[in-house]
Amino acid sequence: AQTVTQSQPEMSVQEAETVTLSCTYDTSESDYYLFWYKQPPSRQMILVIRQEAYKQQNATENRFSVNFQKAAKSFSLKISDSQLGDAAMYFCAYRPYYGGATNKLIFGTGTLLAVQP
Amino acid sequence: NAGVTQTPKFQVLKTGQSMTLQCAQDMNHEYMSWYRQDPGMGLRLIHYSVGAGITDQGEVPNGYNVSRSTTEDFPLRLLSAAPSQTSVYFCASSPGENGNSPLHFGNGTRLTVT
Repeated sequence: AQTVTQSQPEMSVQEAETVTLSCTYDTSESDYYLFWYKQPPSRQMILVIRQEAYKQQNATENRFSVNFQKAAKSFSLKISDSQLGDAAMYFCAYRPYYGGATNKLIFGTGTLLAVQP
Repeated sequence: NAGVTQTPKFQVLKTGQSMTLQCAQDMNHEYMSWYRQDPGMGLRLIHYSVGAGITDQGEVPNGYNVSRSTTEDFPLRLLSAAPSQTSVYFCASSPGENGNSPLHFGNGTRLTVT
């Protein structure tokens, strides 16, 4: 069964600095999708960034980028120029490439990011 | 643009009571699902549906029932609430069931069972 591990329950970063959140996963599949979701205090789940496993190029979305190491099964999120609004719980998630009965998001336990002014 | 709408936002139940969490989406999405979020455990899949009339169990289905009579609605029923069902519940939908279809989440329902 696939698993997702986030080993950092809490992180802190100074405003305008860069922070990296770690995520590792376990799967025997070669094709899949990886995601980072942000959950602010409002409880809303917001998709931050998505990576297709068959793409070698790391995904980027403005200040957010990932370091995808397929062989190491690692998928870290880098937030550059951190802003107060980045403070939230961040979840790493895995989703199988194919749908059907195996289609579901598998979440890590989350990393709570604090941004210090 | 409503997206995925969950009601109620908050609910308190006594042990043994039953209730239905409502979920509706206006995007004509075929795939809908329910997750529960517990501290230190991330989100776990309860039930999902790949279309009207089709439902299946996820990772933690015990104590919950679902039905999908229309494309738009996917209610989650707690038959006899237990304190272990205290959690935040999220409904999510996507256009298709393959991994490339992005999930759209509702804003969650915080349920407390006393």
